[in-house]
Parts: sequence; C-alpha cells; structure tokens
Amino acid sequence: IQMTQSPSTLSASVGDRVTITCRSSQNIDVWVAWFQQKQGKAPKILIHRASVLEDGVPPRFSGTGSGTEFTLTISSLQPDDFATYYCQQYHGHGRMTFGPGTRLDIK
Amino acid sequence: EIRLVESGGGLVQPGGSVRLSCEASGFTFSNYYISWVRQAPGKGLEWVANINQGGTDTYYADSVRGRFTISRDNAKNSVYLQMNGLRSDDTAVYHCARDELSLATIGNNWGPGTLVAVSS
Repeated sequence: IQMTQSPSTLSASVGDRVTITCRSSQNIDVWVAWFQQKQGKAPKILIHRASVLEDGVPPRFSGTGSGTEFTLTISSLQPDDFATYYCQQYHGHGRMTFGPGTRLDIK
Repeated sequence: EIRLVESGGGLVQPGGSVRLSCEASGFTFSNYYISWVRQAPGKGLEWVANINQGGTDTYYADSVRGRFTISRDNAKNSVYLQMNGLRSDDTAVYHCARDELSLATIGNNWGPGTLVAVSS
C-alpha cells in the first residue's frame, strides 16, 4: 500500500488553519495515524484510527477520513506546531507504510 | 521508565552485512510487537519490519524483503535486525519502536537510533 501526501511543503503563519491531505493506493478503512516530527527528535503520534486524538495532544489537531483519503487539520497554528508531519497506514497488522511527509514552515 | 536502545550500526561496504540490536527495558517486553523504522539523512520515515510478541510472525517492507531478517529473544528483552546485501540506499538511522496494543501501531516509544552508512 502506497501513501501520498500533499502538499510536500506548506508555509503558514501563527493562527492560520492548515490542512494536510494523505491518500492511500487502496482502501484502508480508518487505519491511518498521523505523526509529528521535529528536527533531531523521535516522531510523536498525534492521531490514530484516522480521527482519534492521542492523549495529551491539543484539540486544535483533528483528523478525518476513511477509505483512501484522509486529512489532518490544525485549526490555529501555534509556534510549537512547525514541524514535519507524516501519515501512516497500518491496515493489516504488521504491515505499515509512512507517507513522504509534509514540512510545515513559518511564513 | 520505558527505554529502547539500538546498537550495532557503523560503516559497511556495499554488499556487506550488519546486525542491529535493540535492547528494551521498563516494560514487559514479551507483550509487544516491535518495529524497525529507518530515516535516511534529510529524508522521511520508512517502516522496515516488525515482529510479533512470540517471534513467530514477521513482516517486511518490499524494499528490504529477502535481504533483512528481524528476530527477537524475549529472555534478553532484545530484537535484532540482520541486514544482508546492503546497498547505498540502506544508509539511514535505524530506530526500534514499540507497537502499542491500544493503537495497533507504533506509539511514542522509540529508541534514539543507530546509524548505518553503506559506502566503499
């Protein structure tokens, strides 16, 4: 299963609403997670099962989608949110694929 | 405290082999799937392989299937990645990570990684 993400780079300002889209090459139901990675750090899971917010993740993050199209939305960007975001499919336990990533930069 | 620590990386010639280790502590190791995830310098995340709790089921990315072998020793709280037929595009930091039972995927428990550089 291949994953694509768009855009690959996104420039935005604090307070903006941003949306990242992820598409899978086949139907994966809701088996998508979203990770945030900052430079030199391990990835942090934000959302699993397409829309379930991980404990401790701010509610400005939200995820939607099922089947082959998924979105991650940040409702009001904060300075701490500038990072790279990856979607990941895990349909069929054991086999996983990450998307290529979306780098979110400060405009 | 949950800890995962990788070792075994280094400089390897193309076509060569290396065995990575991941030693875990702070949790009941035998209850969890463990994954290997790699990240080439300046590039994105790539899931490589994982292994179930008992070591009987293993899964691989297409890019490494047939060249890499994942295994575990629950008595030693360790997972291994035997890497054969190494190519320049295998150069990356290799992380082990715990698959979370509640998530059915990798969570927030990752090791710091070990660098494998494939070059002549």
